[in-house]
Amino acid sequence: LAKTTQPISMDSYEGQEVNITCSHNNIATNDYITWYQQFPSQGPRFIIQGYKTKVTNEVASLFIPADRKSSTLSLPRVSLSDTAVYYCLVGDIRGNKLVFGAGTILRVKS
Amino acid sequence: GAVVSQHPSRVICKSGTSVKIECRSLDFQATTMFWYRQFPKQSLMLMATSNEGSKATYEQGVEKDKFLINHASLTLSTLTVTSAHPEDSSFYICSATVSGGTDTQYFGPGTRLTVL
Repeated sequence: LAKTTQPISMDSYEGQEVNITCSHNNIATNDYITWYQQFPSQGPRFIIQGYKTKVTNEVASLFIPADRKSSTLSLPRVSLSDTAVYYCLVGDIRGNKLVFGAGTILRVKS
Repeated sequence: GAVVSQHPSRVICKSGTSVKIECRSLDFQATTMFWYRQFPKQSLMLMATSNEGSKATYEQGVEKDKFLINHASLTLSTLTVTSAHPEDSSFYICSATVSGGTDTQYFGPGTRLTVL
């Protein structure tokens, strides 16, 4: 299982774009990159998943360079309600097993 | 779509009793379900992988006789904490994968267990 490294915490202000980068140098060929958001005392919520290049959905974008050794979650125009822990996970889709790292605590201020 | 529920959302029990937690996939069939445990201010720790109709696979250090997992159908997995003790107090979260798609894991809301 590829190990991931993320910043421990980040601070931002409402309305700003936030980019959280995750390093996964040992990513394997079959691994996908998935990001989750977790609020206190709640289960993680799926944000976005990708394999390469760029993926965009209604809440975020995921940028993956050609070597796939890192990925960047981009949250456009964050609000106070985006304050949460964000986890980057790398895993083989076929195996499904995911290992959670420490995650990034994002604090959005007014 | 892809909604996972857990019941109960919170439970308080006396030391020595057993507690059962249910995990259900509400609008899809889940061949595989996962159980995690999360202590305060820590990340999720995978406890076991549950496959429908077969025995669960436990992670190293997780006692299978302590944490009984049953995955009797494609929409239900249960975790029973047997002879619970205060150190078992934690936030237990399940997840399920949507079979046939990208196998993304969708998580339940979690169950807060407090053992007195």
